[in-house]
Amino acid sequence: AQSVTQPDARVTVSEGASLQLRCKYSYFGTPYLFWYVQYPRQGLQLLLKYYPGDPVVQGVNGFEAEFSKSNSSFHLRKASVHWSDWAVYFCAVEGADRLTFGKGTQLIIQP
Amino acid sequence: EAAVTQSPRNKVTVTGGNVTLSCRQTNSHNYMYWYRQDTGHGLRLIHYSYGAGNLQIGDVPDGYKATRTTQEDFFLLLELASPSQTSLYFCASSRDWGCQNTLYFGAGTRLSVL
Repeated sequence: AQSVTQPDARVTVSEGASLQLRCKYSYFGTPYLFWYVQYPRQGLQLLLKYYPGDPVVQGVNGFEAEFSKSNSSFHLRKASVHWSDWAVYFCAVEGADRLTFGKGTQLIIQP
Repeated sequence: EAAVTQSPRNKVTVTGGNVTLSCRQTNSHNYMYWYRQDTGHGLRLIHYSYGAGNLQIGDVPDGYKATRTTQEDFFLLLELASPSQTSLYFCASSRDWGCQNTLYFGAGTRLSVL
């Protein structure tokens, strides 16, 4: 069965600094991968998704993610974070009939 | 933008109580899902459905029933609620299954079982 590991439960960055949130997946075959974001007191929203092709995927609000088959990773990046990026970020992998989510990474922005 | 509405937003019940969580989507989506979100576990799939009258078992189904009465409405039932079911519950929908289909989430129902 597929699985997703987000090794960092919490990441703190200064406003304007760059960001990387880590995601490792386990999947037999070619995976379809997603990043979802959960802003405070809201449901999840899609940030970006990957399917086979260009390993770097662009998402909303300046986010991008890079797929690496050799490292089984799908890390999320942003060049300059804003206070409004304060949220929980979930990585997910698509299986035969369901999405499997990681445990999420809480992003905290320092002024 | 797809709309998924959950009710109630907050619910408190006692151990052994009977609870129904409601979800309605108005975007003609075929698939609907119930997840629970817990610290340290992320989102876990309870049940899902690909159409009225259909029900599929998720990853953590024990203690939960679900029913899809129409294409729009999907209910989660806790018939003998236990404190371990205290959680944040999310409903989601998607047009179909597959990478090209985005899941749209409701705002969540916070359930406390005392």
